[in-house]
Amino acid sequence: EEQLVESGGGLVQPGGSLRLSCSASGFTFSVYGMHWVRQAPGKGLEVAASISPNSDITDYLDSVRGRFTISRDNSKNTVYLQMSSLRVEDTAVYFCVTGSAYYYASWGQGTLVTVSS
Amino acid sequence: QSALTQPRSVSGSPGHSVTISCTRPTTDVGSFDYVSWFQQHPGKVPKLMIYDVSKRPSGVPDRFSGSKTGNTASLTISGLQAEDEGSYYCCSYAGGFTFVFGTGTKLTVL
Repeated sequence: EEQLVESGGGLVQPGGSLRLSCSASGFTFSVYGMHWVRQAPGKGLEVAASISPNSDITDYLDSVRGRFTISRDNSKNTVYLQMSSLRVEDTAVYFCVTGSAYYYASWGQGTLVTVSS
Repeated sequence: QSALTQPRSVSGSPGHSVTISCTRPTTDVGSFDYVSWFQQHPGKVPKLMIYDVSKRPSGVPDRFSGSKTGNTASLTISGLQAEDEGSYYCCSYAGGFTFVFGTGTKLTVL
């Protein structure tokens, strides 16, 4: 069974940094694209960052580009999201997501990031 | 890629049907052939209900169906049940390992 487990969320002050991790199991991690999808309190879903199986393609939400970096370690079945210069509006639950080429099939339980002074 | 447009809310009575639309901007180019739909209850993880426009994952009731015409995809829920109440999001593959979500629709079962 595919499983994604996020960690690293918490409370951080504006301007601070945080690194999220997502540990994957139950599938061949190295052949799947990985994504971080976030959801601010009471708001909709948005894709914060995406990375291809071999890390040659990355993509970011315009509002996080230049501040967030997605990376992966296929030897550890883990994907990361390094977040810096955090803003109040980055407060959200961050989900680790994967799936087929054309749809999201598996989601983690999410980790809450709160940016507040 | 701009977000896909969905109605903010829809409602229906038990046993009746509702349809939720999902429209992509006319300026978007490329395929709109890979639309999926997610159901989300408050505080829960989104659940895949439809993929590839009209396919249902195992375990999803056949009351849920998907379709597409031009730049608008639709999710129809027939025989509404109380447990269908929640938020629904469409999602489209945008090329190169990227996806874009719809704005989300809150379904109320009256």
